[in-house]
Amino acid sequence: DSGVTQTPKHLITATGQRVTLRCSPRSGDLSVYWYQQSLDQGLQFLIQYYNGEERAKGNILERFSAQQFPDLHSELNLSSLELGDSALYFCASSVTGSIRDTQYFGPGTRLTVL
Amino acid sequence: QQPVQSPQAVILREGEDAVINCSSSKALYSVHWYRQKHGEAPVFLMILLKGGEQKGHDKISASFNEKKQQSSLYLTASQLSYSGTYFCGTEPANQAGTALIFGKGTTLSVSS
Repeated sequence: DSGVTQTPKHLITATGQRVTLRCSPRSGDLSVYWYQQSLDQGLQFLIQYYNGEERAKGNILERFSAQQFPDLHSELNLSSLELGDSALYFCASSVTGSIRDTQYFGPGTRLTVL
Repeated sequence: QQPVQSPQAVILREGEDAVINCSSSKALYSVHWYRQKHGEAPVFLMILLKGGEQKGHDKISASFNEKKQQSSLYLTASQLSYSGTYFCGTEPANQAGTALIFGKGTTLSVSS
């Protein structure tokens, strides 16, 4: 158990819908990262927050957005969902915002878009 | 920019050794290795920094050749618990400090 929690574990929804994925970092960690994992692309970095501020952005679609709240939990919002958005979404946390800091991954949210 | 991992899959018997390679077309500042067991989250193994030494713990070690932009993960005397998918995450030197770019992974299966 990494100490990072993600809810829900599974999400099944239809195309065109909007969903919110939630992540609580390890106690004391200030940085949260979001990743998308699909079979053909592997782990793709989406976005990073550090202490409430956006720190780095990866291949995140415009239909996706995220934020980190004052209590440091983070939410990833996915809208106008497409079949291709079906994937495992991980969040990870680290103590500092440095990319060289160890990242602790949560158990993931499996999103299925029908 | 995604690093290339080889081989894609390895099948071993307990006690055998394996090497997993990670190659980038870009100069790198650091390489990170993670292991993901089936149905679980990735778990950090080690980080290798530019100019740093070879790392290792237990029977898993890694090296980083900056000139060749390559890293290799060495698993010696493999155990059943080593089974899983190994990912390298690279930090490009020209984007140092931004984000890791992960390879597609190498699946390792160890049987008794």
